[in-house]
Amino acid sequence: GNSVTQMEGPVTLSEEAFLTINCTYTATGYPSLFWYVQYPGEGLQLLLKATKADDKGSNKGFEATYRKETTSFHLEKGSVQVSDSAVYFCALLAGGTSYGKLTFGQGTILTVHP
Amino acid sequence: DTGVSQDPRHKITKRGQNVTFRCDPISEHNRLYWYRQTLGQGPEFLTYFQNEAQLEKSRLLSDRFSAERPKGSFSTLEIQRTEQGDSAMYLCASSLGLAGGREETQYFGPGTRLLVL
Repeated sequence: GNSVTQMEGPVTLSEEAFLTINCTYTATGYPSLFWYVQYPGEGLQLLLKATKADDKGSNKGFEATYRKETTSFHLEKGSVQVSDSAVYFCALLAGGTSYGKLTFGQGTILTVHP
Repeated sequence: DTGVSQDPRHKITKRGQNVTFRCDPISEHNRLYWYRQTLGQGPEFLTYFQNEAQLEKSRLLSDRFSAERPKGSFSTLEIQRTEQGDSAMYLCASSLGLAGGREETQYFGPGTRLLVL
């Protein structure tokens, strides 16, 4: 079946530090890949997505590249801010019989200190 | 466009009671999804609708759970005879419902947090 594995958290960084959150996946066929962010007390917001191999998704300084050969979609940001503190979820959307069903990783808590 | 809305935002109930949650998707969206999120975990898929048709149900959706979308607009999720293990955040999402479903973005509501005592 489909699955997503994220690096264990929580991650604690100082402001302006470099961020990497690892995400690897297992899927049949060619899934689309997503990063969602969840701020305290709120629902999930789409951060970025990539729909085919070698695509790079980017938004608000965050980037992730769809690597089919390593089945990975790592999230990166060059300089984090306190306002980036949230829970980050990697997810995949596969076709075929999984049509429409997002499969999420367990989430990574990010805390950024001033 | 006000986004996906859910009601209520919080619900506390006693074991054995029935509860019903409502989701209003983004107005032009044909697809509507329900997910469940327990503490410290990612959301897990429960079910989804294309217009009023319920197209897929997870094995997580026991006989005590039922979802409807009678006119292809809002949806309700009912849990009968609630158990303490049902305590979770219930998330609703919607998407346009284009033919290329694999590339679609799902937009999430704020969720309904259920606590079963």
